[in-house]
Amino acid sequence: AQSVTQPDIHITVSEGASLELRCNYSYGATPYLFWYVQSPGQGLQLLLKYFSGDTLVQGIKGFEAEFKRSQSSFNLRKPSVHWSDAAEYFCAVGAYNTDKLIFGTGTRLQVFP
Amino acid sequence: NAGVTQTPKFRVLKTGQSMTLLCAQDMNHEYMYWYRQDPGMGLRLIHYSVGEGTTAKGEVPDGYNVSRLKKQNFLLGLESAAPSQTSVYFCASSLLAENQETQYFGPGTRLLVL
Repeated sequence: AQSVTQPDIHITVSEGASLELRCNYSYGATPYLFWYVQSPGQGLQLLLKYFSGDTLVQGIKGFEAEFKRSQSSFNLRKPSVHWSDAAEYFCAVGAYNTDKLIFGTGTRLQVFP
Repeated sequence: NAGVTQTPKFRVLKTGQSMTLLCAQDMNHEYMYWYRQDPGMGLRLIHYSVGEGTTAKGEVPDGYNVSRLKKQNFLLGLESAAPSQTSVYFCASSLLAENQETQYFGPGTRLLVL
C-alpha cells in the first residue's frame, strides 16, 4: 500500500536561511509525487509535482524538489526562506491509473526574522 | 473564475444534528474529492467522485454521505453529527485522474460538533 512519511512535524528557520523538508514514500512502482502548501486558514496550493523525467523539479515561489528513487525520497528545498513561507507543507503520492492521492501528515514551517 | 468554493466556511452543530456541506467548481473538472484534516493526521479522503452521478468511498467514509447530481457540485452530508466529526473539511477537484492531474482545493469548512 502507498504511504507517505514526513518525519519533521515542526521546523523553525531564520529568514534568509536555506530550507529542506523531508518526504519519504512507500510504493512499489514509480510514484507521482506532489508538494502542497497550506497557509493559515487557507486551502492547499500545489507547489510542484513529479511524474517522470528530470528528477529535479522546479516549482512556484522558488521551491524545488528532488526525486531520489534509491532513497524513496522527494525532499523539498528552498535556498533562502522568506517570512511569507511560514505555512504547513504536505507531501503526497499518487500512482498511475488510480483516483486518489495519499497525503503525509504535514510539516509546519515557522520563520523567524 | 472562482475555482473551488465551499459553503459554509464555519458551522457549529450539536450532536445528532444533520447538515450538508456544498462544494462547487467552475473549471469543468470531472473528479471531485472530500477530505478531512485533523491535527497530526494530514488529509484523509472521505469520498470522491469520478464524474456526474458517481461516488466512491475513500479512506474514512463512515458517518458521511455524498452526492454528485451536477458535474460542478459535490455535496457532503452528515446525517447525525458526532463530536468525532469535528474537523476542517476540504473539497478538491481535478480535471482527470489519469496521470494524476493536479487537485485544486477549496478554502475549507471548519466544523465543530458539540
